[in-house]
Amino acid sequence: EAGVTQFPSHSVIEKGQTVTLRCDPISGHDNLYWYRRVMGKEIKFLLHFVKESKQDESGMPNNRFLAERTGGTYSTLKVQPAELEDSGVYFCASSQLITGEQFFGPGTRLTVL
Amino acid sequence: QKEVEQNSGPLSVPEGAIASLNCTYSDRGSQSFFWYRQYSGKSPELIMSIYSNGDKEDGRFTAQLNKASQYVSLLIRDSQPSDSATYLCARGNSGGYQKVTFGTGTKLQVIP
Repeated sequence: EAGVTQFPSHSVIEKGQTVTLRCDPISGHDNLYWYRRVMGKEIKFLLHFVKESKQDESGMPNNRFLAERTGGTYSTLKVQPAELEDSGVYFCASSQLITGEQFFGPGTRLTVL
Repeated sequence: QKEVEQNSGPLSVPEGAIASLNCTYSDRGSQSFFWYRQYSGKSPELIMSIYSNGDKEDGRFTAQLNKASQYVSLLIRDSQPSDSATYLCARGNSGGYQKVTFGTGTKLQVIP
């Protein structure tokens, strides 16, 4: 069974540009999560989808971040315009509806110059 | 106070010894707890979950939960150099959703 996949693995952009990250969850997992780890800090929750609906977006830092999950399958996280402090590793995770166990993807390392 | 507290380490143990990793949490309503292992530059990998007070064993790993003391631990028996990684303690959201709050992680070094 394929795990959670993320694309791209690395992205280097200039401040003010736009970047879109993609996550494909494990097949059959209705729950999809985005997390972020900035340098030296803990992994922090950004938001949670149940199928195509946003269940909790309390961790989204500001309105420059937009997450979508059309059709309840893959998800995208767009940062527009990117700022220096957005640099970090963005992880996606998925889980089955009933359990709390989340399986993480390899992450996208975003560097904003 | 951080929601999930861990000693950042590094914790160094000789090969074959027991490694003991500790974690405390502040939200008494937390119901689910997880230990993730993260190798440098890689994604977190779930190695243990625990929901009830007491011990839960899986191979060389034992998770211990004490809700009264708000304390979670992970014991690794017969530590191997391949166990060298950062271990992340995490808790699930007490509201019933799956939002997970992580600690900063403890770096474990197993010395051959």
